[in-house]
Amino acid sequence: DTAVSQTPKYLVTQMGNDKSIKCEQNLGHDTMYWYKQDSKKFLKIMFSYNNKELIINETVPNRFSPKSPDKAHLNLHINSLELGDSAVYFCASSQDGSWVDTQYFGPGTRLTVL
Amino acid sequence: AQKITQTQPGMFVQEKEAVTLDCTYDTSDPSYGLFWYKQPSSGEMIFLIYQGSYDQQNATEGRYSLNFQKARKSANLVISASQLGDSAMYFCAMSPNAGNMLTFGGGTRLMVKP
Repeated sequence: DTAVSQTPKYLVTQMGNDKSIKCEQNLGHDTMYWYKQDSKKFLKIMFSYNNKELIINETVPNRFSPKSPDKAHLNLHINSLELGDSAVYFCASSQDGSWVDTQYFGPGTRLTVL
Repeated sequence: AQKITQTQPGMFVQEKEAVTLDCTYDTSDPSYGLFWYKQPSSGEMIFLIYQGSYDQQNATEGRYSLNFQKARKSANLVISASQLGDSAMYFCAMSPNAGNMLTFGGGTRLMVKP
């Protein structure tokens, strides 16, 4: 029944490791997103992706890369993890990525880098 | 570039009273969407209400209404008859004309007193 799901919910890892967070939506939406929420609760867009176009927020380091095996999935892969990557990462989806679309969020993945 | 400002980091409201959470925005886009999300202590992001820049009437969803004043660039959320379960962080967000990568404000923590 979950519309947007993410795994894992918690991820604890060492600096320098590579990790992935998985996201799946069963809403039939065409567009998916990744957001980062820092320790001060500030939310920032990282990526917007549909089957035609990837839009990257220019401030996102290239250690972060979205990977989409199909329209219902958008995974986030992070290379060479750093302490500053510790945050909550939210996946979201919307119907077609237009400005009138509502985005529905997953439950979040809390990443802790030690 | 878009900017969202929420000037109230924290607010208290008495149960059953109404409360207004402030949101001002800045954009040069002719068309845009405005959204409010709720984030309870459990961490998920819950969509509350949407207002399009061309909508003539203020949006309402149950106990939530959006006081949209386009000339003043404000989109305040009004919660009527506050309940204890309304205690949460509330985020105002904007989607630009060019797409749907949301820009979020810093959030307001609402605490409902019994």
